[in-house]
Amino acid sequence: EDQVTQSPEALRLQEGESSSLNCSYTVSGLRGLFWYRQDPGKGPEFLFTLYSAGEEKEKERLKATLTKKESFLHITAPKPEDSATYLCAVLSSNTGKLIFGQGTTLQVKP
Amino acid sequence: EPEVTQTPSHQVTQMGQEVILRCVPISNHLYFYWYRQILGQKVEFLVSFYNNEISEKSEIFDDQFSVERPDGSNFTLKIRSTKLEDSAMYFCASSSGRDGTQYFGPGTRLLVL
Repeated sequence: EDQVTQSPEALRLQEGESSSLNCSYTVSGLRGLFWYRQDPGKGPEFLFTLYSAGEEKEKERLKATLTKKESFLHITAPKPEDSATYLCAVLSSNTGKLIFGQGTTLQVKP
Repeated sequence: EPEVTQTPSHQVTQMGQEVILRCVPISNHLYFYWYRQILGQKVEFLVSFYNNEISEKSEIFDDQFSVERPDGSNFTLKIRSTKLEDSAMYFCASSSGRDGTQYFGPGTRLLVL
């Protein structure tokens, strides 16, 4: 069964303190891995798509990487406005639906 | 920048009533989806729609649920007889291709009393 697990569930950082969020997945043929940001009461906001192991994408303070079993979202020198829940989702070869992890809630304190 | 829109943003209804949630996907997208998120839980897939028919549905999407694309721009989710456990955020999403990025709307918060 396709599965996505994110860790940690919650992360508190000081402004400027870099860290990484993990997304481990088990799928029968990965067609894509997606990172979204979700603010409270809002819809998931697209950040990155990764399609193959070794691929990396960057946007401002965020960098996403992909291996055959997991993906990392690296946050460099975060700011308070980076506080949100970060969701990882996968698209497997069997289906057109996204399978989401439970998310990592990031709080960045000034 | 094109975006997915949803109406209403909030809906309160009585158990057993019918509700229709509306979505306007991104205009050149061909694949449409509904997901839901119960408070504190994962985002979970309900249904996907392509070429005017359901392409996939989850076990949650039972006979009480239906989807429709009544015209060239709207995509709706109908719940025929709401239950307390239908209370959730409902998100519409669309993508240009089967493997493409799914872009989500802001959601409709449904509360069933």
